[in-house]
Amino acid sequence: EAQVTQNPRYLITVTGKKLTVTCSQNMNHEYMSWYRQDPGLGLRQIYYSMNVEVTDKGDVPEGYKVSRKEKRNFPLILESPSPNQTSLYFCASSPLAGVNYNEQFFGPGTRLTVL
Amino acid sequence: GENVEQHPSTLSVQEGDSAVIKCTYSDSASNYFPWYKQELGKRPQLIIDIRSNVGEKKDQRIAVTLNKTAKHFSLHITETQPEDSAVYFCAGGRLGGSYIPTFGRGTSLIVHP
Repeated sequence: EAQVTQNPRYLITVTGKKLTVTCSQNMNHEYMSWYRQDPGLGLRQIYYSMNVEVTDKGDVPEGYKVSRKEKRNFPLILESPSPNQTSLYFCASSPLAGVNYNEQFFGPGTRLTVL
Repeated sequence: GENVEQHPSTLSVQEGDSAVIKCTYSDSASNYFPWYKQELGKRPQLIIDIRSNVGEKKDQRIAVTLNKTAKHFSLHITETQPEDSAVYFCAGGRLGGSYIPTFGRGTSLIVHP
């Protein structure tokens, strides 16, 4: 089954404790992206990646890191989480080359609370 | 870069009425405009999209229209049903090897039975 998976789905942590949210897709998509969703602010892009070893900042990258060592995985790293990073996080992937439409496939979301 | 504005932020209708959600975009080079539906507690999913070489597209009770000159596009839902209640996001961008979608802030649609 074609899908995007994220882990964990729910996480409560404390300020300053490093954490990683994993994202994996099995559709061989080039493009992967991380969004955070906050009430009234919609989906804001944190980082995106066009392919392996190619990453770039989105609209709200401060406090986050990503890596793309393999095509299928795109982990989101919070080196020193702060309460303002409490949010719902979505990973998404899509094909890039040779398409005449582009559907973003979203993961199930990770609800993060930083105390 | 692209900027997508979406209105209204909340829309309340009676079952059977029509609902219209509007988005504007800033980049005249954008050529692909998808709409996503996010039900409560679930992930966003694509429901319909339109490319800039088309003015209107329909899929059963939903339709999307695009006005390239005015740089706006709209989602129309007819004969609304309670299961249409969700948050709807529009997005815009340039389709191609470097497609990066920009999302609107979302519209919370509430359909009252």
